[in-house]
This record gives sequence, C-alpha cells and structure tokens, in this order.
Amino acid sequence: GNSVTQMEGPVTLSEEAFLTINCTYTATGYPSLFWYVQYPGEGLQLLLKATKADDKGSNKGFEATYRKETTSFHLEKGSVQVSDSAVYFCALRMNTGFQKLVFGTGTRLLVSP
Amino acid sequence: GAVVSQHPSWVICKSGTSVKIECRSLDFQATTMFWYRQFPKQSLMLMATSNEGSKATYEQGVEKDKFLINHASLTLSTLTVTSAHPEDSSFYICSASVRGRGGETQYFGPGTRLLVL
Repeated sequence: GNSVTQMEGPVTLSEEAFLTINCTYTATGYPSLFWYVQYPGEGLQLLLKATKADDKGSNKGFEATYRKETTSFHLEKGSVQVSDSAVYFCALRMNTGFQKLVFGTGTRLLVSP
Repeated sequence: GAVVSQHPSWVICKSGTSVKIECRSLDFQATTMFWYRQFPKQSLMLMATSNEGSKATYEQGVEKDKFLINHASLTLSTLTVTSAHPEDSSFYICSASVRGRGGETQYFGPGTRLLVL
C-alpha cells in the first residue's frame, strides 16, 4: 500500500540554523505530496504542496521539491526561527479518483534562541 | 479563506455520557469532510469520511455506532462520541476538502481535545 516515512525526531536546532526534514514515500502511482505543520495544541495547517514530479512547493521560507527518482519530498528552510517549533507531517494523496491523505508519523522540531 | 472551525475546542465529560463535536467550513462549501483522531505524539488516524447527504464511510476498526457522524449540510459535519469512556480521550480533528485548479486540498480544523473521566 501507499505509505510515507519521515525521519524520527525531535530535531533540535539553534535559531538561524539550516533545517532539513526527510520524507520519502511509497506509492503505486504518482501522488500529490504535502507538508502540514501542527503548532502546540492546534490542528494541522497546510504548509506547502506539490502535485507532480519536479514541482517545488514553497511557503514562509520553507521549500520542498517533488523528486520522483528518489521518491522523496524533503522539507528545507535556510534559517529557522523559534516560532517554527512545531510538528511537521509529510503526507501523500493519490490523484486518481477519491483518495484519502496518508500521513507520516510526524517530526517534532525544537528551535532554541 | 478556507477556514475550518471546530466546537468545542476542549471538553471534559463523565464516563457514559455522549459528546458532540461540530466541524464547520466557514467560507466555503465542502462536499467531503474527514474526521481524524490523534494520540499524543502520534500521527493522525483517519476515522471516517463524510459526504454531505450520505452515510459516512468508516475506516477499518472504527466503530460506527460508537462514533456517529452526520453531515447535514455543505458546511457542517458533526461527530458524536456515544457513551464515552476514558479510552476515548483524545484529540479529534476534522478537515474539509476543496477541489480547485490545483487539485483537491484538505483544510484542517483546530481540533477538539476530549477528556473522559
């Protein structure tokens, strides 16, 4: 079946450090890929998405590129802030017919001043 | 745009009582809404998919008589936890899907924290 694998956290960084959170997927076709962010005590917010190979999603300084050859969608940010501390979920959804979102287990990011 | 609200944001109830959680799409119509459950430090588990005017589709292992879902309109879906027990304590999150030029996107509510004593 379709699945998403994320690096285990927590990821602990100092402010202004470079961030990478790895995400790889397994799918029988060509899914759309998403990153969601969950701040403490809140629901998920869509951070960015990419719907086909080589697309780059970007938002709030975060970027992720849909790599079909490596089946990856790694999340990056050049300079993290304390306010970026949250849990980040990678997810996929197949594009044929109705398909549900498949989430990874989430990666907690802790940014210290 | 694309705001989804949930009410209440948190609820504490006694074992054996029923609790209703509302999910509303505030500025768009959602033909499909989803209900998730999240345990501490874990990912979201899809419980059911709700389409307006029809019965919800439950994921394997989710008791439909325990978790009643009603999707009465294009902007409102409700989840009722019947005869709640302490093991039902969790964070419940709804989402609503919008279909646009870029495909389908799910927008999530802020979640409802349920504590059953």
